[in-house]
Amino acid sequence: GAVVSQHPSWVICKSGTSVKIECRSLDFQATTMFWYRQFPKQSLMLMATSNEGSKATYEQGVEKDKFLINHASLTLSTLTVTSAHPEDSSFYICSANGGHENIQYFGAGTRLSVL
Amino acid sequence: SQKIEQNSEALNIQEGKTATLTCNYTNYSPAYLQWYRQDPGRGPVFLLLIRENEKEKRKERLKVTFDTTLKQSLFHITASQPADSATYLCALVRGSQGNLIFGKGTKLSVKP
Repeated sequence: GAVVSQHPSWVICKSGTSVKIECRSLDFQATTMFWYRQFPKQSLMLMATSNEGSKATYEQGVEKDKFLINHASLTLSTLTVTSAHPEDSSFYICSANGGHENIQYFGAGTRLSVL
Repeated sequence: SQKIEQNSEALNIQEGKTATLTCNYTNYSPAYLQWYRQDPGRGPVFLLLIRENEKEKRKERLKVTFDTTLKQSLFHITASQPADSATYLCALVRGSQGNLIFGKGTKLSVKP
């Protein structure tokens, strides 16, 4: 149980375009999901906390107009990187709060490359 | 500010030996601490959780200890195997929404 699916796993886009990443909890409902960014050999950096039916809470320094988060249902959160630039190239990972003692279940990640 | 540190960036050991990874934290009094495993290009996978009132927790070849006086958790893998090679992350809960703060991780390499 507790499977989180993240799609796509890999995307290449041109500078200036927008990219949407989906995160789904497949066998449980997740009121809270999280979006992380990870650079090579670095730890996970929390970007935002996504709550079903309400606005996301962004971490300091994360541009909310650039990284749009929508959590419209209990099983789906999306992250849209708007007007992507090469510096947005990174590994983006989502997770869902499993509820019990805040154990998080992670998606497999999305490798974004902006040309 | 709250900090969580994993002092060793990398740990290389021989197959069959016990790997011991360290996690220290400051300015924090967590009710529990979590350990995750991350393989290259993948999301982390939850391994173990230990509560503040538990000294030790075991799961198969894994053992975690939690010393709230030293503000430290140790993560042990006994009889290590090359398949145990991965990055191991410790994490603490921050905030009411269940946000986790992660350490930078320790990359474990088990040589045959």
